[in-house]
Amino acid sequence: DQQVKQNSPSLSVQEGRISILNCDYTNSMFDYFLWYKKYPAEGPTFLISISSIKDKNEDGRFTVFLNKSAKHLSLHIVPSQPGDSAVYFCAASGGNYQLIWGAGTKLIIKP
Amino acid sequence: NAGVTQTPKFRVLKTGQSMTLLCAQDMNHEYMYWYRQDPGMGLRLIHYSVGEGTTAKGEVPDGYNVSRLKKQNFLLGLESAAPSQTSVYFCATQGYNQPQHFGDGTRLSIL
Repeated sequence: DQQVKQNSPSLSVQEGRISILNCDYTNSMFDYFLWYKKYPAEGPTFLISISSIKDKNEDGRFTVFLNKSAKHLSLHIVPSQPGDSAVYFCAASGGNYQLIWGAGTKLIIKP
Repeated sequence: NAGVTQTPKFRVLKTGQSMTLLCAQDMNHEYMYWYRQDPGMGLRLIHYSVGEGTTAKGEVPDGYNVSRLKKQNFLLGLESAAPSQTSVYFCATQGYNQPQHFGDGTRLSIL
């Protein structure tokens, strides 16, 4: 039973436009959420996180939104750049240092 | 990912062979993790360690063993490799109140 779901395996966005990646979770005990970015043949790298006490966190071009009532979070990238083409993973934590990961969304930025 | 080094980067094994994957870190992090990543799935936690001399089971521990004799090293062992263990293996480290930091992975094929 997947506790963290990324329902879009891939997403294609025009360069300069907004990319929106979505993530749903089922466990209401999750209190910390992270987004990681992964290039081929490399390990995931941390991008941005949000605590359950917040509904928005922003870092440059990246913003994460959390809707606790819907058990949904999203990552917005504005404006999208070619270097943003990668696989994006959503992960959730219940406070015990263990992360539960989504299956990832492959983002393709078209020039 | 200079702080977390995984050895080897690639390996092909025959069914029934054994091997050890090494994860070495120079970040002085207490927590270390071994994950596997399979196509269409998120990272799944195999084993983890909260400090030197400690190990614990994750989500998918069967068929694997681990050791953390020194703080900087976390070893993952396969005693009798099976084709189902064909995967990409990632090691991660984590400091207190920090996100997990990953190595570049070991691609393991078992024939």
